[in-house]
Amino acid sequence: AQTVTQSQPEMSVQEAETVTLSCTYDTSESDYYLFWYKQPPSRQMILVIRQEAYKQQNATENRFSVNFQKAAKSFSLKISDSQLGDAAMYFCASEIQGGSEKLVFGKGMKLTVNP
Amino acid sequence: DVKVTQSSRYLVKRTGEKVFLECVQDMDHENMFWYRQDPGLGLRLIYFSYDVKMKEKGDIPEGYSVSREKKERFSLILESASTNQTSMYLCASSLTTDAYGYTFGSGTRLTVV
Repeated sequence: AQTVTQSQPEMSVQEAETVTLSCTYDTSESDYYLFWYKQPPSRQMILVIRQEAYKQQNATENRFSVNFQKAAKSFSLKISDSQLGDAAMYFCASEIQGGSEKLVFGKGMKLTVNP
Repeated sequence: DVKVTQSSRYLVKRTGEKVFLECVQDMDHENMFWYRQDPGLGLRLIYFSYDVKMKEKGDIPEGYSVSREKKERFSLILESASTNQTSMYLCASSLTTDAYGYTFGSGTRLTVV
């Protein structure tokens, strides 16, 4: 069974600074996908970034990048130049390729951005 | 853009009522999912469906049922609402072939009194 662990329930960052959100996962599969989702207050959950496990290169989307350490089963999200609009709940998730299409989510982490 | 629409944003129901939560997606996705979200517990899968009339239990199906009569619509049913079913309910859909995760609806915050 897959599990996803987000060990920090809350973090805060100053505007314009960089913050790293941690995530570890456990799977016996070799092919899988990893995701970070963002849920702003009272708003829809949206995909921030995805990583394919067979790709060694870390995914990047503008100010968002990941540090994917496959051997350590670690998948952290780095947010550079933090903005007030980055304040949200962040969820890490994994999906087995060719599996049941189900995502397994971590418990989430609340990010506060201080002006 | 894919849209997943949940019919109600906020809902208040009485204990014992039968409650229907509706979800519609407009991009021909095969897969649809119902999660509940509670503080400190993250997202927990209730039921999911890979195709019309097909359904499978998730991690916490007790007290819930689902219906998928048409590809675009996936309904969650609380047979007899209880106060411990007060929660945020999230619907999501995905395409089997693209591995880009889910598209979520805006959520329904259900309060059972």
